[in-house]
Amino acid sequence: GAVVSQHPSWVICKSGTSVKIECRSLDFQATTMFWYRQFPKQSLMLMATSNEGSKATYEQGVEKDKFLINHASLTLSTLTVTSAHPEDSSFYICSARDPGIAETQYFGPGTRLLVL
Amino acid sequence: EDKVVQSPLSLVVHEGDTVTLNCSYEVTNFRSLLWYKQEKKAPTFLFMLTSSGIEKKSGRLSSILDKKELFSILNITATQTGDSAIYLCAVRQGGSEKLVFGKGTKLTVNP
Repeated sequence: GAVVSQHPSWVICKSGTSVKIECRSLDFQATTMFWYRQFPKQSLMLMATSNEGSKATYEQGVEKDKFLINHASLTLSTLTVTSAHPEDSSFYICSARDPGIAETQYFGPGTRLLVL
Repeated sequence: EDKVVQSPLSLVVHEGDTVTLNCSYEVTNFRSLLWYKQEKKAPTFLFMLTSSGIEKKSGRLSSILDKKELFSILNITATQTGDSAIYLCAVRQGGSEKLVFGKGTKLTVNP
């Protein structure tokens, strides 16, 4: 099956710093990747759709200047949380669709961010 | 507003029991419904359903979709402790790759 990786799996940082999270499709090319955020005991909330070679599409209420997304290649998308604050602490998960497997999105293992 | 509602929110059973998890949805231009299992990390894919009445089966897990009544169920027979997880239901709309997720059902299987 399709494999999606994320790095790092854990991040602890000080308030005000920026954190970059990478999402890679390992065995397929993904023109579209998705970034989700999950707070404790809550469901996954889509933050943005990352499109290779073009600007990301952000969901309502998500600040595009705070959550910078770059999808520079068919196998890599990055999410940068700029000037992180404690309220940004969450579980960030990416997913990618394998065009060869009927519309199914495959998720990365997630990145847990803790901002002190 | 598009929404996906799962029930129950949590469920505790004993090994060997059979469980049924529910997912109802209200979305415009429905395309497909997906079930995922989430343990400690990210969700893993279980099933994708697009047609009514056709059961998808994988081992002890099975799922079916009713597009008329706008719901799906996920059945797990002869539950094992390893089935303990949060089960997420998500719906995809036509013309979009976005998934709308329900809040999940937390299943706990006790030995």
